[in-house]
Amino acid sequence: DGGITQSPKYLFRKEGQNVTLSCEQNLNHDAMYWYRQDPGQGLRLIYYSQIVNDFQKGDIAEGYSVSREKKESFPLTVTSAQKNPTAFYLCASSMGTGVKTEAFFGQGTRLTVV
Amino acid sequence: AQSVTQPDIHITVSEGASLELRCNYSYGATPYLFWYVQSPGQGLQLLLKYFSGDTLVQGIKGFEAEFKRSHSSFNLRKPSVHWSDAAEYFCAVGRPRSGGSYIPTFGRGTSLIVHP
Repeated sequence: DGGITQSPKYLFRKEGQNVTLSCEQNLNHDAMYWYRQDPGQGLRLIYYSQIVNDFQKGDIAEGYSVSREKKESFPLTVTSAQKNPTAFYLCASSMGTGVKTEAFFGQGTRLTVV
Repeated sequence: AQSVTQPDIHITVSEGASLELRCNYSYGATPYLFWYVQSPGQGLQLLLKYFSGDTLVQGIKGFEAEFKRSHSSFNLRKPSVHWSDAAEYFCAVGRPRSGGSYIPTFGRGTSLIVHP
């Protein structure tokens, strides 16, 4: 079955530590996205990538980093510079950003800073 | 400024009643429009989408939405709500960014509560 896999589902991090969230897709999609979800704020765009080896900052990129070395993978690192990292993180992909197409979502990773 | 506005944070309806969830967007060009649904702790599932053509769009689970350019709106409707429709609903717009790309941009969501 084609889809987007995010792991782990739950993640706990101590303050001051970096942590990496995994996102893998087997849909052969060019574009991938990371969103952060907080109660009452909807989904806010962290980073997106239109093609391998290229990525762009979204609306709330500070304290986060990404890489896109393979088409299938778009990991997100939450660094110690992120002041309030506790949130639900959603990865998505689409055929491209310049075509009329919807985004498909993974099941999310809930990150808690302890 | 908010690109996508969902003015209702919560909506409560009785099972079997009709439903309308509101969505307004702030882009001038004909946008790409979407409605997604999210169950607690899960990812988002696409209900329907509008790119062009007929302004009344049919989706899954009996939902429909109507694009009204004059109102910059894309409201979601369902004639008879089922208890299983209780969830969070998100309106999204393909927001134009540099290089001719369109990035899904979401409203804050509307939480639907269904009473038996």
